[in-house]
Amino acid sequence: EPEVTQTPSHQVTQMGQEVILRCVPISNHLYFYWYRQILGQKVEFLVSFYNNEISEKSEIFDDQFSVERPDGSNFTLKIRSTKLEDSAMYFCASRGGLAGDGETQYFGPGTRLLVL
Amino acid sequence: AQSVTQLGSHVSVSEGALVLLRCNYSSSVPPYLFWYVQYPNQGLQLLLKYTSAATLVKGINGFEAEFKKSETSFHLTKPSAHMSDAAEYFCAVSASSASKIIFGSGTRLSIRP
Repeated sequence: EPEVTQTPSHQVTQMGQEVILRCVPISNHLYFYWYRQILGQKVEFLVSFYNNEISEKSEIFDDQFSVERPDGSNFTLKIRSTKLEDSAMYFCASRGGLAGDGETQYFGPGTRLLVL
Repeated sequence: AQSVTQLGSHVSVSEGALVLLRCNYSSSVPPYLFWYVQYPNQGLQLLLKYTSAATLVKGINGFEAEFKKSETSFHLTKPSAHMSDAAEYFCAVSASSASKIIFGSGTRLSIRP
């Protein structure tokens, strides 16, 4: 069964460093998302991406964050200068875009980011 | 604006007992509603979704949920709990299939032997 994959599964970084979280969405999916879950808190929307541009972003998604689809398979989230409060589990999701199952967002296993 | 409220951050039931996880939503438009499950150290898996078709929605692993517009509720049930059901359950809402998903704060389900 197709699935969303994310790498790395865990990343530890120093405050102020840049990190890139990688996601491979399900093949042929058209809509891509990033969410995050700070430990013990709810899952929060960060950004949605369609047709090579951001379609919606939350207040969390400030200038320190960027997303990119550098090729036909990867979808990345970059944090330019990490802060302690960026420590969280980051989930990538993708959606087909057609009716029926295409309305469902499928989530990856997440990348646990720890900023020291 | 949309939001969901999950009543009870932790629910504990005996194996074989009924599981009932409560969710109330707020939405200015007809909502899309979801239940996701998160097993320890894993990602989010869709259990079931409501997208304006039948109000009683059946999902995987024997779970089902009923959309009640008058009560703005979308409670999750399972007739008989299994030990393997122990996980975190998230109710979620979106305005459309294209929109972001707004998650509730989650309910941790524990199963007693």
